[in-house]
Amino acid sequence: GQNIDQPTEMTATEGAIVQINCTYQTSGFNGLFWYQQHAGEAPTFLSYNVLDGLEEKGRFSSFLSRSKGYSYLLLKELQMKDSASYLCVWGGYQLIWGAGTKLIIKP
Amino acid sequence: DSGVTQTPKHLITATGQRVTLRCSPRSGDLSVYWYQQSLDQGLQFLIQYYNGEERAKGNILERFSAQQFPDLHSELNLSSLELGDSALYFCASSVGRSSERETQYFGPGTRLLVL
Repeated sequence: GQNIDQPTEMTATEGAIVQINCTYQTSGFNGLFWYQQHAGEAPTFLSYNVLDGLEEKGRFSSFLSRSKGYSYLLLKELQMKDSASYLCVWGGYQLIWGAGTKLIIKP
Repeated sequence: DSGVTQTPKHLITATGQRVTLRCSPRSGDLSVYWYQQSLDQGLQFLIQYYNGEERAKGNILERFSAQQFPDLHSELNLSSLELGDSALYFCASSVGRSSERETQYFGPGTRLLVL
């Protein structure tokens, strides 16, 4: 079956930059989503990458390398409100949700 | 506000009981998805309906069932409840049938506590 790997937890400092990596199997792959989920709240859509390269949306950017089965989410100018889980979601023959990376922001 | 509504927000019940969770998708969305999220766990996909028909099934227990009505709202029925069914249940919706390509919009969830 499809395996999505992302770190369980990361810690970063307010104002800094953090990169959350996600690796997946390339067979059957179509595109990759990133969602943000604050504790106890619903996930919200951040990005969807189909083509290789970097897509920037304000402080958040998402990168995809189809051949390497690799994606990352880059968060700049971190704010306390960015403390949340970030879910890497594989889209192919079906949708597979990663377990998420819990990001802790320290002042 | 995603435009997806779920009721009730909270539900407390006893083991062995049956409950019904309700979801109304965003206006214009034809697909509804149900997810379960236990405490500090990842999202577990349960089932997808598209325009009234079951489209995809995930790790849904036999004690659980769902349906989507002609007005596109959906209900998730959970029966013979066990302590382990305590979780947040999310509903999401998307425009079309292809979950692997479409953004999903999530409702605020129903928090179920089984005592």
